[in-house]
Amino acid sequence: LAKTTQPISMDSYEGQEVNITCSHNNIATNDYITWYQQFPSQGPRFIIQGYKTKVTNEVASLFIPADRKSSTLSLPRVSLSDTAVYYCLVGDMGGGGNKLTFGTGTQLKVEL
Amino acid sequence: DTAVSQTPKYLVTQMGNDKSIKCEQNLGHDTMYWYKQDSKKFLKIMFSYNNKELIINETVPNRFSPKSPDKAHLNLHINSLELGDSAVYFCASSQFQTDTQYFGPGTRLTVL
Repeated sequence: LAKTTQPISMDSYEGQEVNITCSHNNIATNDYITWYQQFPSQGPRFIIQGYKTKVTNEVASLFIPADRKSSTLSLPRVSLSDTAVYYCLVGDMGGGGNKLTFGTGTQLKVEL
Repeated sequence: DTAVSQTPKYLVTQMGNDKSIKCEQNLGHDTMYWYKQDSKKFLKIMFSYNNKELIINETVPNRFSPKSPDKAHLNLHINSLELGDSAVYFCASSQFQTDTQYFGPGTRLTVL
């Protein structure tokens, strides 16, 4: 079971790049890494997913080193609306739900 | 159109009661989940279910039981409610063997 560790909180200012790192030392061969964003009183929302190297979409980039024991979510030029909790999820969906492990979440606060 | 919906949004009840939370998804997904999010925002999977298999997180008390009348619904029944059951419960769905999950808005359960 891949246990994950994230910083509890981060602060940033509008327009800056924010990098949030998730440690998952026990990641298994079949595990993917997925990041979710959660606003207050809402369910988590998918941001990005990767297996190795780098993945980029319209909202974020995900960097995964060769050993896959950590991953970094990169949010370019954050705005106030990016203030949310960000969760790292490591797991093998095909193997069954009990292998899914969410990180503790990182509260990102963006200020003017 | 709401992809994953839950009812009720809020549920307040007394200890010892039995209650149900309903979840419906209109995404045509094969797999549905229930998560519990406690006051510290830790998000833990309780169950994953598709039309073939129920995967139970071994830490979930047997007072909790998922029931699926069809592929689009996964309801959560809770017997003999306890104070510690107070939390926000999220339903989610995904296409089997893909990692992207779509979450419902959550049900805030308060046990008095």
